Amino acid sequence: AQSVSQHNHHVILSEAASLELGCNYSYGGTVNLFWYVQYPGQHLQLLLKYFSGDPLVKGIKGFEAEFIKSKFSFNLRKPSVQWSDTAEYFCAVNARVTGFQKLVFGTGTRLLVSP
Amino acid sequence: GAVVSQHPSRVICKSGTSVKIECRSLDFQATTMFWYRQFPKQSLMLMATSNEGSKATYEQGVEKDKFLINHASLTLSTLTVTSAHPEDSSFYICSARDGDRNQPQHFGDGTRLSIL
Repeated sequence: AQSVSQHNHHVILSEAASLELGCNYSYGGTVNLFWYVQYPGQHLQLLLKYFSGDPLVKGIKGFEAEFIKSKFSFNLRKPSVQWSDTAEYFCAVNARVTGFQKLVFGTGTRLLVSP
Repeated sequence: GAVVSQHPSRVICKSGTSVKIECRSLDFQATTMFWYRQFPKQSLMLMATSNEGSKATYEQGVEKDKFLINHASLTLSTLTVTSAHPEDSSFYICSARDGDRNQPQHFGDGTRLSIL
């Protein structure tokens, strides 16, 4: 079965620290990869996505993610976090094997940035 | 950007009642809508995929007679939890896709359902 793993459940950083959140998925074949963010009291919003091409994807608010096919990973990074980045981050994958219909989410990583 | 409105945001009702949750795409046409359920400290779990004008496709383990989904128009899908019981208490989230299957999903704010 498809699965997505986010190994960091809670991350606490100070402002200006660098961030890397891990995401691994479990199946081969062609995949589309997403990072969603949920700010406190708000709905899920798309941060960035990878479909094909350059494996280093740049998203909104200075976030980027790198798709490493050999490692089945799509880690999220930001060189310098801000207090406003406090949120929950979800990695998600859909795959050709399911016709790209089914989006499978990781369990999320709750990030707290202290000022 | 694409906006998805979900209503109500919170509902509390007695065991045995049925509850309807609406999901609307406000500024785009959504041929496909999705319904998720999220338990505390867990991930979103897809319940069903809803295509406009056709029957919903339910994920394994989701009772289609329990969770009725209607997608009557390109901007509205509804989820009805029939004869709700306390174990149905959860956070339900809808999303809608603007275009083909390679497009990202846009999410509603979710509905907190509490069954007493």
